[in-house]
Amino acid sequence: GNSVTQMEGPVTLSEEAFLTINCTYTATGYPSLFWYVQYPGEGLQLLLKATKADDKGSNKGFEATYRKETTSFHLEKGSVQVSDSAVYFCALSDPGSSGSARQLTFGSGTQLTVLP
Amino acid sequence: NAGVTQTPKFQVLKTGQSMTLQCAQDMNHEYMSWYRQDPGMGLRLIHYSVGAGITDQGEVPNGYNVSRSTTEDFPLRLLSAAPSQTSVYFCASSSGFPPYEQYFGPGTRLTVT
Repeated sequence: GNSVTQMEGPVTLSEEAFLTINCTYTATGYPSLFWYVQYPGEGLQLLLKATKADDKGSNKGFEATYRKETTSFHLEKGSVQVSDSAVYFCALSDPGSSGSARQLTFGSGTQLTVLP
Repeated sequence: NAGVTQTPKFQVLKTGQSMTLQCAQDMNHEYMSWYRQDPGMGLRLIHYSVGAGITDQGEVPNGYNVSRSTTEDFPLRLLSAAPSQTSVYFCASSSGFPPYEQYFGPGTRLTVT
């Protein structure tokens, strides 16, 4: 089956620090990969996505590159802000499959706190 | 354009009670899903639907029922609430086309005592 493994949190950084949140996956097919962000008390918002190997998704200063050879999709940001404090989820879908495999499989989430 | 809406926002039930969590979307999406979010476990798929009249089970379907009579609505029914169903519930929708990215509602926080 499909699975996603994220680095354990929580992660605490100072403002303007560099952020990396690791994500690796296993999939039976050729997955699409996503990062979602959840701010306190809110639902999940799509942050970025990539659909094929070597694609780079980017949004709001965050980036992640689809690495098929290492089955990874690590999230990075060069300079974090206090407003980036949230929970970040890595997820995959398997468009080539049918049924539930087209739904999202999530990692366990990483809590990020950015201190001023 | 409201996106995905969920009601109620908060709910407290006693063990054995039943209730329905409402979900609606106005994006004309074919796919809709229910997830539950528990600490340290990410989100887990409960049930999903690929169109009106079509539903199927996800990873953790026990204790929950769904139906999809219209494209817009996808309610989740708890038949006999148990403390293990204390969680945050999210409804999501997707266009039904690759890569199947999903759009989430704000969630319902359910406590079963």
